[in-house]
Amino acid sequence: AQSVTQPDIHITVSEGASLELRCNYSYGATPYLFWYVQSPGQGLQLLLKYFSGDTLVQGIKGFEAEFKRSQSSFNLRKPSVHWSDAAEYFCAVGPGTCTASKLTFGTGTRLQVTL
Amino acid sequence: DAGVIQSPRHEVTEMGQEVTLRCKPISGHNSLFWYRQTMMRGLELLIYFNNNVPIDDSGMPEDRFSAKMPNASFSTLKIQPSEPRDSAVYFCASSINKGGRVTDTQYFGPGTRLTVL
Repeated sequence: AQSVTQPDIHITVSEGASLELRCNYSYGATPYLFWYVQSPGQGLQLLLKYFSGDTLVQGIKGFEAEFKRSQSSFNLRKPSVHWSDAAEYFCAVGPGTCTASKLTFGTGTRLQVTL
Repeated sequence: DAGVIQSPRHEVTEMGQEVTLRCKPISGHNSLFWYRQTMMRGLELLIYFNNNVPIDDSGMPEDRFSAKMPNASFSTLKIQPSEPRDSAVYFCASSINKGGRVTDTQYFGPGTRLTVL
């Protein structure tokens, strides 16, 4: 069965500082990987996704993520955080097959940005 | 364009009462997902429809939960009878899905916060 671990429940960074949110997955083959962001009182919004090809994926809002098969990781990064990035971030994994439909989400990392 | 619409946004009810949550997917989307989010269990997929047909309901916790999609623009999630442990935020998501693939981006609604007293 697929699973996702986000080891950091809560992270605080200063505005303008760099950010890295960790995500580790467990799956027997190459998975499909996603990062979503949830602002308070809102639904989830897709930041980026990885299916195949280039292991460095660019997303919206200046975020990027790198798939590292050897480490079973898909960490999310941003070079300079803005106060508006404060939100909860979810990593998700799906089976890497054309007929797969089920995403498994991590428990989330809450990002706080200090001014 | 309107996104996924969910109603009500907040629901407070007493144990034993029937609760119905509603979802209108994005026009043109043919797949619909119901999720539940709690502090303890995170975000869990409850059920997934493709072209109005339930495809995977393995996440539905028990017989008290039921979901329907009578047409392409409307779905309901019903809990009868409700229990305090059902308190959670329930999200609906939709996607353009050409065959049930997880690769198709899911667009989430704002959620319904359910409190069962």
